[in-house]
Amino acid sequence: DAGVTQSPTHLIKTRGQHVTLRCSPISGHKSVSWYQQVLGQGPQFIFQYYEKEERGRGNFPDRFSARQFPNYSSELNVNALLLGDSALYLCASNPMGQPYEQYFGPGTRLTVT
Amino acid sequence: AQSVTQLGSHVSVSEGALVLLRCNYSSSVPPYLFWYVQYPNQGLQLLLKYTSAATLVKGINGFEAEFKKSETSFHLTKPSAHMSDAAEYFCAVSGNSGYSTLTFGKGTMLLVSP
Repeated sequence: DAGVTQSPTHLIKTRGQHVTLRCSPISGHKSVSWYQQVLGQGPQFIFQYYEKEERGRGNFPDRFSARQFPNYSSELNVNALLLGDSALYLCASNPMGQPYEQYFGPGTRLTVT
Repeated sequence: AQSVTQLGSHVSVSEGALVLLRCNYSSSVPPYLFWYVQYPNQGLQLLLKYTSAATLVKGINGFEAEFKKSETSFHLTKPSAHMSDAAEYFCAVSGNSGYSTLTFGKGTMLLVSP
C-alpha cells in the first residue's frame, strides 16, 4: 500500500505570495494532520481534520488555512508568505483519529525568499 | 498542556557503543509517548510508542524505551550503535483522546563515528 504522499516536494516562493500544499493520506485513513518543522526544531502542530471537519488548530495565524476533501485528501494554504514561513511542512494521516497511529509523509520543503 | 524536553541537541557515540537519548515529558493527562526518527531530507518514521500497556517498549532497529512515570521520562536506548543509526530523533507526547495531536521535542541529532 502507498504511504502518505505530499506534493510538491520542494517549492520556492516570494514574500507576500500564496502557496497551496497537498497531501493524500493512506487509503482508508480519514484523519489528516499538518505540522510545520522549522530548521533545527521539532514539528509543530498546525491543523487536524477528521471526516472533512476541522478538529484541532495549533497556534498559527489566520494566514494559515486548510481543508479536507471527500476523498480525505487535504490542502494547506498559506497567504501573504513571510520569510519565517520557510520550513518543512509535514502531513500525517491516521485511521480513526487515534493519537497513536500517525503516519507521516515525506514533507514539502517551502523556501520563502 | 503537554510538553517534551530532550536533553542534548547532539549526542556522539562510537559504532558498537550504547545509545542513550533522553526525553522528559509533562502532561496533565495520562500520556501516550513516541520516538520518531528523521533521516536527512525525509519525513518522520515511528520507532516505538507507549500507549499505557507495558512500560518497556521495544521498537524497530533494536531500539527500546522505558516509561517511568515517577521520573516523567521516556529515554530511548540501543545496546550497540550502527553507522546507519545516525539521524535526528524526536520524542513526542500526546493525550489519549481520539483527537489528540502530537507535541514534539526539539530533537537530538545522533552522530555515530567508526
